[in-house]
Amino acid sequence: QQPVQSPQAVILREGEDAVINCSSSKALYSVHWYRQKHGEAPVFLMILLKGGEQKGHDKISASFNEKKQQSSLYLTASQLSYSGTYFCGTEMSGATNKLIFGTGTLLAVQP
Amino acid sequence: GAGVSQSPSNKVTEKGKDVELRCDPISGHTALYWYRQSLGQGLEFLIYFQGNSAPDKSGLPSDRFSAERTGGSVSTLTIQRTQQEDSAVYLCASSLSRGTGNYEQYFGPGTRLTVT
Repeated sequence: QQPVQSPQAVILREGEDAVINCSSSKALYSVHWYRQKHGEAPVFLMILLKGGEQKGHDKISASFNEKKQQSSLYLTASQLSYSGTYFCGTEMSGATNKLIFGTGTLLAVQP
Repeated sequence: GAGVSQSPSNKVTEKGKDVELRCDPISGHTALYWYRQSLGQGLEFLIYFQGNSAPDKSGLPSDRFSAERTGGSVSTLTIQRTQQEDSAVYLCASSLSRGTGNYEQYFGPGTRLTVT
């Protein structure tokens, strides 16, 4: 039931792009993306509802393909501040408010 | 402050003792969630409250774990007869209700529980 994220870890140089994927075996109602820095609480990035919408937030955007039960997070022109662990939280169809978080993707941006 | 607060920030307890963890959600947030995060791991859902009721308790690991929420605000997570495998960071989050269309979760700083 836990969604699978890929890659598990990625190292970037400043200015490079990255894509983080989140796949579920269950039908999804929504996907939530969070970033957690070491020793800190997760911080909300964005919610995507079923309908294949795409959202953007500065140079971070995401898409949600409900047919494939997948979401992707796109980080463009990465900055040092993007470093952290990214988690997707999936809400199953039925709109339960309950999030099942993915396995996490560790992103390290180097100068 | 305006954020989610949790207390204590750190708790060291002996195996077999009971512990209580407290969460103060953001004012006006009707939904409250508890998660557990073991070292280097992801977030494990424990329980979810809507108001004072808990429609979903499916994530509680055993009957040693219980939670309550009173007055639609503060929540307490209680772990009885703690075991070493209970050691983790316990995170609380709150959100507005789904009807607002704006139900992202805001997390507190967590309580680090160490069972010796």
